[in-house]
Amino acid sequence: GQQVMQIPQYQHVQEGEDFTTYCNSSTTLSNIQWYKQRPGGHPVFLIQLVKSGEVKKQKRLTFQFGEAKKNSSLHITATQTTDVGTYFCADPTNFGNEKLTFGTGTRLTIIP
Amino acid sequence: EAGVAQSPRYKIIEKRQSVAFWCNPISGHATLYWYQQILGQGPKLLIQFQNNGVVDDSQLPKDRFSAERLKGVDSTLKIQPAKLEDSAVYLCASSLVLVNEQFFGPGTRLTVL
Repeated sequence: GQQVMQIPQYQHVQEGEDFTTYCNSSTTLSNIQWYKQRPGGHPVFLIQLVKSGEVKKQKRLTFQFGEAKKNSSLHITATQTTDVGTYFCADPTNFGNEKLTFGTGTRLTIIP
Repeated sequence: EAGVAQSPRYKIIEKRQSVAFWCNPISGHATLYWYQQILGQGPKLLIQFQNNGVVDDSQLPKDRFSAERLKGVDSTLKIQPAKLEDSAVYLCASSLVLVNEQFFGPGTRLTVL
């Protein structure tokens, strides 16, 4: 069935360093969503990408959707302690039922 | 705007006992979702409602889990009887339309002993 894999599973960075997480699908996606979950918190929607090759920015966060719509990435420039959490990509397409399938997540920790 | 409300926030039960969770979505959100999130994993969809109808319950263990949204607003998720592997956070989410941005509640952390 449909699988959405994320790498890396964990990432530890010094504050101020950049961070990137990658999301890969075994099939073509119609669109993709990104969520952030703080430790002990609940997922919070960040963005949705729809178009092939789309790039969107939110302050220090840059989101990309691959040309083939099978992969996506989230890049954070100059990480801050507030960036700590787990970042999930989520696939809204699954067997035509359009249910949200979350990726495995990348857990980001910041070393002050 | 009030967010998605869930109760209780924490629940500890013994295996084979029953438990129920409640969710009140954001006002006006027609679509409601229940997710199970096991520690260290991403949320897994259990059931999806559109108003008071079930859109998808393919991953709901129907021998022990049940959910309802009788009036198309708030919803309850029940587990009967609970197993050790049901220990997880149960998240409720809602959205205006199917597959739009989902708003999550704080979750209920269930521990089955």
